[in-house]
Amino acid sequence: NAGVTQTPKFRVLKTGQSMTLLCAQDMNHEYMYWYRQDPGMGLRLIHYSVGEGTTAKGEVPDGYNVSRLKKQNFLLGLESAAPSQTSVYFCASKITSGELFFGEGSRLTVL
Amino acid sequence: EDQVTQSPEALRLQEGESSSLNCSYTVSGLRGLFWYRQDPGKGPEFLFTLYSAGEEKEKERLKATLTKKESFLHITAPKPEDSATYLCAVQPATSGTYKYIFGTGTRLKVLA
Repeated sequence: NAGVTQTPKFRVLKTGQSMTLLCAQDMNHEYMYWYRQDPGMGLRLIHYSVGEGTTAKGEVPDGYNVSRLKKQNFLLGLESAAPSQTSVYFCASKITSGELFFGEGSRLTVL
Repeated sequence: EDQVTQSPEALRLQEGESSSLNCSYTVSGLRGLFWYRQDPGKGPEFLFTLYSAGEEKEKERLKATLTKKESFLHITAPKPEDSATYLCAVQPATSGTYKYIFGTGTRLKVLA
């Protein structure tokens, strides 16, 4: 049972490049999330989804887009990467209540 | 404004030296409080959920307690493998069930 899987685990981009982070969960969870984690700050919510075909903005959505075309997948896109988007990104999922299940993280560096 | 504050930021303990980590919160109604463990380079791993004041949960050397304003994570006779960052998160009752507010964590180092 893989749980929540994130790809890639590491990526280096140049300013202005685009990329997509993929999150896949095999637990049939309804809710999926993208957070970013920066030193000295708590996990901050970028976007989330309460079900297939739905997405919503979180606390820090600017510069990011998401899609949830299939229930098990949640994609995070950066259209034009900026150095301020250097961070560790975590995907999480859950049923409708209770605790979050996190992936291992994707470390992104934007030069 | 909903807020979660964890203290101390960092803690060094000798093996076997018991201590407590604090998570204080300000929310207008609590749906749940969650404790996670995060190892370096890994994602947070769920430990406990607490729902109401007076509730306690235990797992091995860890015990979580909850009051109306704060939660404690007590570590009894810690071992080096307990070294990690411990995160606290609060789910406000007045927001949708999607919302969690995370603290910045306590970095625990247990020395052999």
